[in-house]
Amino acid sequence: TQLLEQSPQFLSIQEGENLTVYCNSSSVFSSLQWYRQEPGEGPVLLVTVVTGGEVKKLKRLTFQFGDARKDSSLHITAAQPGDTGLYLCAVNFGNEKLTFGTGTRLTIIP
Amino acid sequence: NAGVTQTPKFQVLKTGQSMTLQCAQDMNHEYMSWYRQDPGMGLRLIHYSVGAGITDQGEVPNGYNVSRSTTEDFPLRLLSAAPSQTSVYFCASTGQLSSPLHFGNGTRLTVT
Repeated sequence: TQLLEQSPQFLSIQEGENLTVYCNSSSVFSSLQWYRQEPGEGPVLLVTVVTGGEVKKLKRLTFQFGDARKDSSLHITAAQPGDTGLYLCAVNFGNEKLTFGTGTRLTIIP
Repeated sequence: NAGVTQTPKFQVLKTGQSMTLQCAQDMNHEYMSWYRQDPGMGLRLIHYSVGAGITDQGEVPNGYNVSRSTTEDFPLRLLSAAPSQTSVYFCASTGQLSSPLHFGNGTRLTVT
């Protein structure tokens, strides 16, 4: 079974601070998706990264795909309460299944 | 545009009971899947389907059955509910795996 490890599992920070969360695998993958999930709802796609070393920006969120194509990070600048949620990474390891990471539960304190 | 619709939203079962979780999508997506979400374990794939008439097992298939008689519907059946199946269940669909998964809002199942 191919695993995706996310860290940290929980993160609680003050509004306005910066943070980074990570997604790591022991296997190489061709692309990775980041989702955010809010309470009582299903996950919603934030971004897909497909090229080793790629950096994508979505307002205050910066996503990076590792050069070795085995890891990715999500950096949030000046966090806001609306960023609170469960952040999930997901990878297709070349089969017909999308494997999700264990998730990082982020809480932004006003 | 409804997207992915799951019913019911909440369900309580006694051990040994059976039930079907319904999932329907109106986006003409070929790929549909069922996940369960438990604290600290992210989303784990139960079963998936790449098109009508085709289903396959995911990571945690035991105790669950699926069928895909139409493109729109992908029901998940619990044959004999067990407390270990207490979880939140999500159905998702996409046109292809390189595209985003569209999720329903989940079914919260409690087995006592």
